[in-house]
Amino acid sequence: AQKVTQAQTEISVVEKEDVTLDCVYETRDTTYYLFWYKQPPSGELVFLIRRNSFDEQNEISGRYSWNFQKSTSSFNFTITASQVVDSAVYFCALGRETSGSRLTFGEGTQLTVNP
Amino acid sequence: DTAVSQTPKYLVTQMGNDKSIKCEQNLGHDTMYWYKQDSKKFLKIMFSYNNKELIINETVPNRFSPKSPDKAHLNLHINSLELGDSAVYFCASSPSRDTFFGDEQFFGPGTRLTVL
Repeated sequence: AQKVTQAQTEISVVEKEDVTLDCVYETRDTTYYLFWYKQPPSGELVFLIRRNSFDEQNEISGRYSWNFQKSTSSFNFTITASQVVDSAVYFCALGRETSGSRLTFGEGTQLTVNP
Repeated sequence: DTAVSQTPKYLVTQMGNDKSIKCEQNLGHDTMYWYKQDSKKFLKIMFSYNNKELIINETVPNRFSPKSPDKAHLNLHINSLELGDSAVYFCASSPSRDTFFGDEQFFGPGTRLTVL
């Protein structure tokens, strides 16, 4: 069975602080895909990153970085120098390489960045 | 240009009514999905269609019936609405054909359904 756990329900930080959002996944597949999506207060879901199970390289995109560790089944997301506009719900998701795949989402982490 | 669009954005209705939500994507994608997001923000897949063919049908009451007239459209019809159906419904699409290769899913803006 596929499962994604985001243990942090809510995080509150002050602007310019760094913050890490945790994501732990469970799967029996050897090939799988991990995603992060952002849902700002306006409600839409915005794609942030995709990573396949064979690529454990960390990725950095501006103030965002991702740490994928298969040994601990984790795919953590760090925002450096957080800004108020980063306030949103962040979802980690797991996808399978199978016909008609669906994404299994974690429960989301509400990040609030205070000025 | 909007990639994945949904109408209506808000839907308020009485218990027992029948309603539909429409979804259209102009990305040329082969696969479309319906997700439900409950009041606690939890997102769960409901259905998936690949080129008009139903691929995934999760444990959803049969009051919910998806219809795909062509691969660019996936509508959701709900019969006999119940209070528990109140949620935000998201349509999504991905390029995937027969096998999912880790495609990004593009989401619509969501439809907030409120059942009174």
